[in-house]
Amino acid sequence: DGGITQSPKYLFRKEGQNVTLSCEQNLNHDAMYWYRQDPGQGLRLIYYSQIVNDFQKGDIAEGYSVSREKKESFPLTVTSAQKNPTAFYLCASGLAAATDTQYFGPGTRLTVL
Amino acid sequence: DAKTTQPTSMDCAEGRAANLPCNHSTISGNEYVYWYRQIHSQGPQYIIHGLKNNETNEMASLIITEDRKSSTLILPHATLRDTAVYYCIVRPHGGGFKTIFGAGTRLFVKA
Repeated sequence: DGGITQSPKYLFRKEGQNVTLSCEQNLNHDAMYWYRQDPGQGLRLIYYSQIVNDFQKGDIAEGYSVSREKKESFPLTVTSAQKNPTAFYLCASGLAAATDTQYFGPGTRLTVL
Repeated sequence: DAKTTQPTSMDCAEGRAANLPCNHSTISGNEYVYWYRQIHSQGPQYIIHGLKNNETNEMASLIITEDRKSSTLILPHATLRDTAVYYCIVRPHGGGFKTIFGAGTRLFVKA
């Protein structure tokens, strides 16, 4: 089936550890995005990528890093520099045009203990 | 970037039409209005989008005022499964990729 997947659904880590969240899509989309959502809040853009080997910072990129070595994959690393990493992380993909729809994955809920 | 204003929450009776308003008074001429919804603990789901004409699909209808400063999402026959947070979004001007998701409207559909 075509779609966008994120794994795992729930993730627990100790404070000070880096953790990488997976995002894969088989929709042949050029653009991919990472958002963070805190309880009762909207989504905030962390990073986005319009093409392989290129990515741009969003509004809250500090403490996060990404890579885009393959069109299908856009992993997000939450580093120890991120002060409040506990949140719901959402990955999305879309065609390259700015007016195109974004398709979201199911999300990963990260809890840092 | 154009911003949107939505009510924090709304109620709707099951089987009735749900009309969700959105104000976007600073919208630019080539910015589209998008609607997404998010059911609890899931990723947002695309519903519909439009530029200036009214749009309809299998999920909903979108009514955009002539001056484009506001719009209304209509779910014609709301069901309990339509209970979700609904986001009204204006896509940025000039080809940018940043999509601003505000707090949205929490719609409660009641039996």
